[in-house]
This record gives sequence, C-alpha cells and structure tokens, in this order.
Amino acid sequence: AQKVTQAQTEISVVEKEDVTLDCVYETRDTTYYLFWYKQPPSGELVFLIRRNSFDEQNEISGRYSWNFQKSTSSFNFTITASQVVDSAVYFCALSEAPGAQKLVFGQGTRLTINP
Amino acid sequence: GAGVSQSPSNKVTEKGKDVELRCDPISGHTALYWYRQRLGQGLEFLIYFQGNSAPDKSGLPSDRFSAERTGESVSTLTIQRTQQEDSAVYLCASSLIGVAISSYNEQFFGPGTRLTVL
Repeated sequence: AQKVTQAQTEISVVEKEDVTLDCVYETRDTTYYLFWYKQPPSGELVFLIRRNSFDEQNEISGRYSWNFQKSTSSFNFTITASQVVDSAVYFCALSEAPGAQKLVFGQGTRLTINP
Repeated sequence: GAGVSQSPSNKVTEKGKDVELRCDPISGHTALYWYRQRLGQGLEFLIYFQGNSAPDKSGLPSDRFSAERTGESVSTLTIQRTQQEDSAVYLCASSLIGVAISSYNEQFFGPGTRLTVL
C-alpha cells in the first residue's frame, strides 16, 4: 500500500529564515510520481511540483527547491529566505504511474512565517 | 480558461438528510476525482472517473456515498443519510490522461464544498 508521511505537523519561523518540509513515502511500485501542493488560507490547492521516480535530479525554482532521494524514500521541500506569503499548509502526495492516478496525500505541514 | 468549479461552496445540513455536491471539470479533461478533507487532515481519495471506463470507487467510505458523471462533464457526489462524521471539505479535481510516464498530467483542484452536518 502507498503511504506518505509528513512528520512535521506545524512549523513556525521568522521571515527570511530557510525552512525545510520533510516528506517520506512508501510504495511497492518502481514507477511512481511525487508531488507538492500548497494550500493557502483561501483553501484552494496550488500545484507546486511533480517528479517521477526515474528522475532524482534536485530542482530549484526561485526560492523553492526540492530534494528527491530514492535511497531514503524522501522528497523534501526547502523554502529559502521565507516570506509571510509562504504561510500555508503544504502537502506532499504520491501517485502510481499512469493508469491509476489517484493521489495519496500526507497529513500536511502547516507553515507559519512570522514578520 | 475556466478552472474546476464546485457548488455549493458551503452546505449546512441536518443529520440524516441527503446532500448532492456538484463538480464542473475543466473542459476537455477526461479524468475527474473526488477527495475529502477533514479539518486539519490531508486529502482522502474517494472516487475516480476516466472516460467511459468503470469508475474507481475504492475510496468511498460507505455505501451512503455515491457519485455519477455524465460523459466527460459534470459530476455529482451524493451522500445519503448524512452523519456528523461526514463534515468535511469535498474537493473535486480534473486532469487530462496520458499513458506514457512523461505525459502525466497534474490534477487541477476546485475550491471545494464545505459540508457541515449538524
């Protein structure tokens, strides 16, 4: 069975600090996808990134970066120089390869950036 | 273009009543998903429609829950004899479908329907 664990329930940092959100996953599939979504106070889910299991390259997008390590089944998300607008709940999710694309979500990490 | 829309945005009902939640996917999206998000929790998969294939109902929590989809358009999620534990935000998502690993298409989520069962 697939499972996603986000051990950090809540994180609170001061603006401009760097922060890393952890995500550990379990799957028996050799082909799968990993995702990060942001859910701001408005409630709508915002897609941030998708990685497939064959691509372990880390990715950077502006202040956001992602570290995918198959050896530890982790897909961590780092925000550099955090801003108040980054305050949201962040979800990590897992999906099998095409054909069964339902997402399995972690419980989410509530990130609060204090001015 | 228009995103995924859901109605109503909020629904308050009494225990034991039936409710219907509606989802309008993005035009052209062949796949449609329903998820449930309880307060402070992650999203739980409920049901998945893909074209004319039989839906994947593996996430429906009980036989009080059912969903229909007309072709590749609107979907309705029905909860019969609602219970207080059904109180949650119900989210709908839609996506295109690809069969190659490189062609995975992300799910676009609607704003959700907040259901409160008194």
